[in-house]
Amino acid sequence: QQQVKQSPQSLIVQKGGISIINCAYENTAFDYFPWYQQFPGKGPALLIAIRPDVSEKKEGRFTISFNKSAKQFSLHIMDSQPGDSATYFCAASDGSTLGRLYFGRGTQLTVWP
Amino acid sequence: DAGVIQSPRHEVTEMGQEVTLRCKPISGHNSLFWYRQTMMRGLELLIYFNNNVPIDDSGMPEDRFSAKMPNASFSTLKIQPSEPRDSAVYFCASSLGPSGGRGTGELFFGEGSRLTVL
Repeated sequence: QQQVKQSPQSLIVQKGGISIINCAYENTAFDYFPWYQQFPGKGPALLIAIRPDVSEKKEGRFTISFNKSAKQFSLHIMDSQPGDSATYFCAASDGSTLGRLYFGRGTQLTVWP
Repeated sequence: DAGVIQSPRHEVTEMGQEVTLRCKPISGHNSLFWYRQTMMRGLELLIYFNNNVPIDDSGMPEDRFSAKMPNASFSTLKIQPSEPRDSAVYFCASSLGPSGGRGTGELFFGEGSRLTVL
């Protein structure tokens, strides 16, 4: 059973547009929600992360919005650039699992110039 | 600083052969994870270790798969015998385990080992 559900599977956005990727979870024990970015031929790398005591976190053009009551969180990429083209994974974990992350299935983002 | 180091980067083998993938985690990290990535199934956790002890191997697909972590700086994932459906990219990742009981630390991935079984 997928602990974290991610959508869409793929996303095509024009340069300068906003990319939005959504994730949902069921386990209310989750207390850490990172997003990972993966370029072809590379391993995933941490992009940005949030804990449930805040509803939004922004780092440059990347923003996580978190809705605790709905058990949903999303990644917004403002002013999307061709260099943002990559696969994005949301994930979640709780303190009882010794660092284990539950990953979504991934979203392949393509930004057209 | 050196990141997570995996070898080999690419492996092509024939069905039935033994495959051994190797991983050197980041020094000082106490958790190590093996993931498999395919188009169909995304990133699947195979097994993870904490302080060299296997914590959860429920993701290991079959008895053909085994993993060891003899010390804090080395781990192996072995497939014997290999089958074409094992073709995938295998990632090793390490982290400094959860601090203060508030969830995981950042997970650092290696560049992966691409396995092709003919």
